[in-house]
Parts: sequence; structure tokens; C-alpha cells
Amino acid sequence: DAKTTQPPSMDCAEGRAANLPCNHSTISGNEYVYWYRQIHSQGPQYIIHGLKNNETNEMASLIITEDRKSSTLILPHATLRDTAVYYCIVRVRLSNFGNEKLTFGTGTRLTIIP
Amino acid sequence: NAGVTQTPKFQVLKTGQSMTLQCAQDMNHEYMSWYRQDPGMGLRLIHYSVGAGITDQGEVPNGYNVSRSTTEDFPLRLLSAAPSQTSVYFCASSYKRHYGYTFGSGTRLTVV
Repeated sequence: DAKTTQPPSMDCAEGRAANLPCNHSTISGNEYVYWYRQIHSQGPQYIIHGLKNNETNEMASLIITEDRKSSTLILPHATLRDTAVYYCIVRVRLSNFGNEKLTFGTGTRLTIIP
Repeated sequence: NAGVTQTPKFQVLKTGQSMTLQCAQDMNHEYMSWYRQDPGMGLRLIHYSVGAGITDQGEVPNGYNVSRSTTEDFPLRLLSAAPSQTSVYFCASSYKRHYGYTFGSGTRLTVV
């Protein structure tokens, strides 16, 4: 399995861009990088995903390095509601049957400071 | 759309009891999964389904059964509850393989 490494915690000032790094040096060529977040004890929330190219949606931007060994999630204007645990995940295919899993690590606890 | 609906939200079981955690989605998603989350840990995959009638095991399947008779429903059955199954259980669904998963709000299960 491609594993991911994230810093355990980060702080960011409200209104500033939050940049969350993730290393996935063993990622395979056809494996996507996904980002989810979990606010308090709620169910995880999908943010964004990508394969090779940079991606942007209404929530965030995803920057993937050319060698695909790392990526950065960018929240452009962080608010207090963005305080959460952020998970960088590689979606791993378990078999040709189609089974797969999202391998959740312990993520990065992002705290937005007023 | 209600999204992914899990019931019950809270449950206390005695050791040895059985029960079914319900999960339903109204988004016509093919992929459905069950995860458990223990305190301070990430989510671990229990069972998985890629469509009606098709299920497979995840990382921690022991003590749990699933079935997928319809696209909408994916119940998780605890056969004989044990204290080690005390956890928060999340159901998730995805339209197709390279789409994001939508998670339910979770079922908090305590086995005493």
C-alpha cells in the first residue's frame, strides 16, 4: 500500500492560506490522492482529489508534485470553521474485483487561530 | 437528497448480543463501505461493496457480516458483540471508483 505521512498538527491564522503537506513517496502511477477532513466527531468530509495535475474546487486547491511523491492541500482563506483533522489518503485497489480502501492515517490536526 | 443515513446514532449492547447497524443512501451510489474509528486513530475498513449482491472484506472484518440486497442499503451485522467492538462506525458511499466518498454521521456503539 502507498502510505502517507503528514505532520501531526499545524496552526494557521484566520484569513490566511493554510498549506497542509503530505508525503506519499511509494504511490503507484494509477493511484489517486484524496483529501478529507473530520470536524470534531462528525463523519469525514470529502474535500478534493487528483492524479497528476493540480486541482481546484470551491473548497480548496490540491498541488501534486511532478514526481507525485508529495502533495499540498491549500485552503485559501482559512476560517474558524476549517479547524479539523485533515487526512491525506491514497485510494488503494485491493483486487481486480474492485475492492479498495481509503487508508486513513492519523492526519493533521489544523487549528485556525482568531 | 438525504445523503447517507445511519441508524441508530447511539447504541449500548451487552457482551454476546447481536444487532444490525443500518446504512442507507439515496444518491444511487455503487460503492458502499463500513469503517470503524477508535479513539485517537484513523478509520479502518470493515467491509465493502461495489454494487448490489457484491461484498468483500476489508482490513478488520472479523465479528461482522454485511449484505447488499439493494443499491440503497448496506447493513452491518454484529454477530456476538464484544467490548473490543466499542467504536464509532461510519458508513460511506461513492458514485464510482474515482469519486469522493460521502460519509454518514456515525453510530456510536458501546459494548459492556
